Amino acid sequence: SQQGEEDPQALSIQEGENATMNCSYKTSINNLQWYRQNSGRGLVHLILIRSNEREKHSGRLRVTLDTSKKSSSLLITASRAADTASYFCAPSGGYNKLIFGAGTRLAVHP
Amino acid sequence: NAGVTQTPKFQVLKTGQSMTLQCAQDMNHEYMSWYRQDPGMGLRLIHYSVGAGITDQGEVPNGYNVSRSTTEDFPLRLLSAAPSQTSVYFCASSLGGGPDYNEQFFGPGTRLTVL
Repeated sequence: SQQGEEDPQALSIQEGENATMNCSYKTSINNLQWYRQNSGRGLVHLILIRSNEREKHSGRLRVTLDTSKKSSSLLITASRAADTASYFCAPSGGYNKLIFGAGTRLAVHP
Repeated sequence: NAGVTQTPKFQVLKTGQSMTLQCAQDMNHEYMSWYRQDPGMGLRLIHYSVGAGITDQGEVPNGYNVSRSTTEDFPLRLLSAAPSQTSVYFCASSLGGGPDYNEQFFGPGTRLTVL
């Protein structure tokens, strides 16, 4: 099964700054997904990037994928306090089963 | 659409008791799964189902049973609760059908405490 490992484990920034978190995985993938979890709530899907894509944007989110390095990054630009959450990556080999890592805990301070 | 619903929201059990956590989705999704999340940790996959009548084990299946008699419902049964099963349980579903359709939708979770 695929599992991503997020780095760093925790990130603390000021409002307005950019936040970058990384994901590494070990085997080939069909796509890689990023999810957000606000405290105590279920995960929410943010973005899916396919293995033949190198970059994808959604609002203030920018995701890159480097399949040669088996890594992905999630950039949140102009962070807001409301972005405070845990972020998880989920590399997918094409099957529906997703395995999640421990996530990156992002704290955005006003 | 209500999406993925879970009941109850909170539950306290005594060691040895059994119970069923309910999960339902109204999106006609083929794939459903159960995860548990311990404090400060990521999610661990307990069981999953790729369609009615088909279930399989995830990473941490011991102590839990599942069945999938309908597309909509995927209950999780705790056979004999133990304090180690104190956790938040999340149910998720996805459309299925291939790599472009496996975005998962999560329920709000059930907080379970076993004394």
